[in-house]
Amino acid sequence: SQKIEQNSEALNIQEGKTATLTCNYTNYSPAYLQWYRQDPGRGPVFLLLIRENEKEKRKERLKVTFDTTLKQSLFHITASQPADSATYLCALDQTGANNLFFGTGTRLTVIP
Amino acid sequence: DAEITQSPRHKITETGRQVTLACHQTWNHNNMFWYRQDLGHGLRLIHYSYGVQDTNKGEVSDGYSVSRSNTEDLPLTLESAASSQTSVYFCASSESGPGSEQFFGPGTRLTVL
Repeated sequence: SQKIEQNSEALNIQEGKTATLTCNYTNYSPAYLQWYRQDPGRGPVFLLLIRENEKEKRKERLKVTFDTTLKQSLFHITASQPADSATYLCALDQTGANNLFFGTGTRLTVIP
Repeated sequence: DAEITQSPRHKITETGRQVTLACHQTWNHNNMFWYRQDLGHGLRLIHYSYGVQDTNKGEVSDGYSVSRSNTEDLPLTLESAASSQTSVYFCASSESGPGSEQFFGPGTRLTVL
């Protein structure tokens, strides 16, 4: 069966450290992988996209890696801040048709 | 500024009633999507549309329908609401290009009693 698993439901990290979130998938072959941020009571907000032929993408303090052999994406937030506290969702797009399959998310808490 | 809005933000209804959730976007995007979000399941795609008069079923489409008569709106109808349809519903839109980011609305919390 198809599954998208994000490492843990909740992750607590000290301010200033690097947060690493994991997205593993089974029986998907995504052409694109996206990461979104969701705050309580709000809709998800797009952060980064990585293509299947890309290994790594960066945007300011964010970095995404994509390993199609391991079927895994890692999402890093460096120099984490309390304002980074949110739920982070990975989403797979198999064909580029923009139909996304979402993981259940990881709730990140950055402790001051 | 362009935006995507949903109404109502909260709704309580009874089992068996027809309910319509509105979604309106001013991005002029061709693609529009409806998702539901439940604890333990994440976001799941209900229906989507690539343009006017185009609609497609998603992963969890049973009991739901959509219609697309213009670019801006994609209303979601629950034909006969069931308690299992209690959820938070999100509408999203995107450009047509492959891998395009989706812009989400604020969500509608629906309770079916």
